[in-house]
Amino acid sequence: EAGVAQSPRYKIIEKRQSVAFWCNPISGHATLYWYQQILGQGPKLLIQFQNNGVVDDSQLPKDRFSAERLKGVDSTLKIQPAKLEDSAVYLCASSPLTVGNTIYFGEGSWLTVV
Amino acid sequence: GQQVMQIPQYQHVQEGEDFTTYCNSSTTLSNIQWYKQRPGGHPVFLIQLVKSGEVKKQKRLTFQFGEAKKNSSLHITATQTTDVGTYFCAALLGAGNNRKLIWGLGTSLAVNP
Repeated sequence: EAGVAQSPRYKIIEKRQSVAFWCNPISGHATLYWYQQILGQGPKLLIQFQNNGVVDDSQLPKDRFSAERLKGVDSTLKIQPAKLEDSAVYLCASSPLTVGNTIYFGEGSWLTVV
Repeated sequence: GQQVMQIPQYQHVQEGEDFTTYCNSSTTLSNIQWYKQRPGGHPVFLIQLVKSGEVKKQKRLTFQFGEAKKNSSLHITATQTTDVGTYFCAALLGAGNNRKLIWGLGTSLAVNP
């Protein structure tokens, strides 16, 4: 079974530039998550989709972050404009059905803002 | 907001020693999951506990869920260098559409060979 795919793996941008991350979840998984993990900290949920609807985006900085999941499969997370404090690993994850099921993480997209 | 406290934050042991990390909540948990993240890697699911007082074992790892479903622990017997990493608990709180998975801050384990 293929895992959660993410790209790009690494990205370095200057502050105020924009960046987009892509995620392809495990086939058949209805729930998709974007987490932000700053070095030395635990994952912080940015947004959770159930199919193509948003379930929880309470911790998403909506002035600069946006995410979409068209057709309930792939998802993109965009940051515009980026700030230095956005330097982190952006982890996409998916799970079957809903909250409470095992979460499968992708390798992550490492973002450095300089 | 709702929180899950995980202690200790760091643990440094000699290879062969035991290790335990604890996860505590002030509210009743629906279930609790444990993940391991190797340095430079991504969190990987270890186990899920659902029942009050549940105990599950995976080789040298023992997972417990408290009787009141407000705490959990992960115990590693005779640590090995391959156990190095950060162990996270993630607890399911709430009910129905208000259910949320709350992550602990993790316990980083270092093992001296």
